[in-house]
Amino acid sequence: DTGVSQDPRHKITKRGQNVTFRCDPISEHNRLYWYRQTLGQGPEFLTYFQNEAQLEKSRLLSDRFSAERPKGSFSTLEIQRTEQGDSAMYLCASSAPARQGLPEAFFGQGTRLTVV
Amino acid sequence: AQSVSQHNHHVILSEAASLELGCNYSYGGTVNLFWYVQYPGQHLQLLLKYFSGDPLVKGIKGFEAEFIKSKFSFNLRKPSVQWSDTAEYFCAVTRGYGNKLVFGAGTILRVKS
Repeated sequence: DTGVSQDPRHKITKRGQNVTFRCDPISEHNRLYWYRQTLGQGPEFLTYFQNEAQLEKSRLLSDRFSAERPKGSFSTLEIQRTEQGDSAMYLCASSAPARQGLPEAFFGQGTRLTVV
Repeated sequence: AQSVSQHNHHVILSEAASLELGCNYSYGGTVNLFWYVQYPGQHLQLLLKYFSGDPLVKGIKGFEAEFIKSKFSFNLRKPSVQWSDTAEYFCAVTRGYGNKLVFGAGTILRVKS
């Protein structure tokens, strides 16, 4: 499968623990996005990278959240001192450089986080 | 703030019925518009997109959407739904190229066979 890959698919953690998620975008996609989706809502933007540069962060992304894309390929999203309100599906998406038209964002299947 | 409104959270239709899902956005500038679909257990997939040109956009699986600028709307339509169209549908908007998608809350469509 050459789509966007996310790992793990599910994570259960105790409140206060740190968690880290990984996203492997489609090869040669220079833009990578993180979104969060809670029940009954559409995905909400968290942050995005162009190559290794983090160009925008949402105000939703508190100081406990950090994302990296060290070599412009895979990305990690870390949540420190998790809270129950962090329980959600975390989605990663990637898109290609614009050569023609508007590029499509391809989504992974997400990491479902449950904080107990 | 930019927002996207989807009028119905749940829609139930019988096979062969016609479908129209409403989507309105609040931003007044130039926008790019998308419909994504999420089938049960699968990832979000693009159905269709509009960024310029003909306001009637045709997508995959017989779906189409019409951009009406004066109404800030981008409604999704399909003349005859199938059981396999059961899914959640999301309208989304971006400003400019490659910026963040702002999604609506989604509409869950259930098609009865």
